[in-house]
Amino acid sequence: KAGVTQTPRYLIKTRGQQVTLSCSPISGHRSVSWYQQTPGQGLQFLFEYFSETQRNKGNFPGRFSGRQFSNSRSEMNVSTLELGDSALYLCASRSGDNNEKLFFGSGTQLSVL
Amino acid sequence: EDQVTQSPEALRLQEGESSSLNCSYTVSGLRGLFWYRQDPGKGPEFLFTLYSAGEEKEKERLKATLTKKESFLHITAPKPEDSATYLCAVQATGGSYIPTFGRGTSLIVHP
Repeated sequence: KAGVTQTPRYLIKTRGQQVTLSCSPISGHRSVSWYQQTPGQGLQFLFEYFSETQRNKGNFPGRFSGRQFSNSRSEMNVSTLELGDSALYLCASRSGDNNEKLFFGSGTQLSVL
Repeated sequence: EDQVTQSPEALRLQEGESSSLNCSYTVSGLRGLFWYRQDPGKGPEFLFTLYSAGEEKEKERLKATLTKKESFLHITAPKPEDSATYLCAVQATGGSYIPTFGRGTSLIVHP
């Protein structure tokens, strides 16, 4: 069974640009969550999608948005990039509410110059 | 607000030198406490879930324990391949199922 796949693996952008990251969950998993990981803050929750609906949202500005498609694949968008957005963005999937275990992808390393 | 504090931030051990990592938590009601391992350049990988005080789980050289305020990850006779960052997370009862993560302990085991 294929794991969680994130693309691209690395990304370099400049301030003010926007970026879209992609995540394909494990087959059959309907929940997809996004996390931002930095050395200073650790893993911070961005949002969770379940069956194409945003179910939970963390404390991030509106520049961070996402969506989920009918095949459970998810995208995350960051507009008007800032230097502080440089981080590892991780996607995690799980099969449903009663399964708390998260399966993470390898992440997208975003550098904002 | 749920809080998770892990200590130490970094730990260096010699191969075979046993030690413990600590995870202290504050949560209104604990639904589950999780341990993950993260290798450089990869996402976290699930290790254990603990649900109630007194519970213990083992996997190879790792043993996780849980009390009402903290969890320990004991590493017995570690090997260099155990080098990684170990993350602790808690999930509260009620509300969302979103876990709160600690900042992790970076473990390096020297041969």
